[in-house]
Amino acid sequence: AQSVTQPDIHITVSEGASLELRCNYSYGATPYLFWYVQSPGQGLQLLLKYFSGDTLVQGIKGFEAEFKRSQSSFNLRKPSVHWSDAAEYFCAVGATGTASKLTFGTGTRLQVTL
Amino acid sequence: NAGVMQNPRHLVRRRGQEARLRCSPMKGHSHVYWYRQLPEEGLKFMVYLQKENIIDESGMPKERFSAEFPKEGPSILRIQQVVRGDSAAYFCASSPGQGLDSGANVLTFGAGSRLTVL
Repeated sequence: AQSVTQPDIHITVSEGASLELRCNYSYGATPYLFWYVQSPGQGLQLLLKYFSGDTLVQGIKGFEAEFKRSQSSFNLRKPSVHWSDAAEYFCAVGATGTASKLTFGTGTRLQVTL
Repeated sequence: NAGVMQNPRHLVRRRGQEARLRCSPMKGHSHVYWYRQLPEEGLKFMVYLQKENIIDESGMPKERFSAEFPKEGPSILRIQQVVRGDSAAYFCASSPGQGLDSGANVLTFGAGSRLTVL
């Protein structure tokens, strides 16, 4: 069974600073990887996904993530954070050959200071 | 094109009452997934349904919880005799097909239904 670990529960960055949110997964084959963002009181919005091919994927809102098979990681990055990026970020993994069922990490709450 | 619609957005129930949460998938989507998010936790898969069929209910508690997706109308997650531990956000997601091997079958989530049990 697959699993996802987001080691940072809470991160605070200053507006304009760079951001990296960590995600490690456990899965026996090449996984499908996702980052979702959840604003307070809202549902989840897909930021980006990795299925295959180029290991650096670009998403919406200026986010990108890099798949590193050797480290079983899929870290999310943004070069310059905006105050509106304050939210909870979830990494998720899906398995090949099955339904679109995802396993989520516990999330990282991002706070942005002005 | 409306997204995944969930209602009610907020529901308050007393212990022992029933809670019914509804989910209308995106237009053209015939696969529905329910997830539960407990406070300070990530989303946990509960059940996966297609029209008139439960495909995978491996995440559903064995008692008091049931789900359906009838031929007509929304999918419904039903919780009987609610307890305080059922207080959570319940998210519905939909996809047009089955299997992530097709890049089109990424889940689209609704805004969630927040259940509070007094």
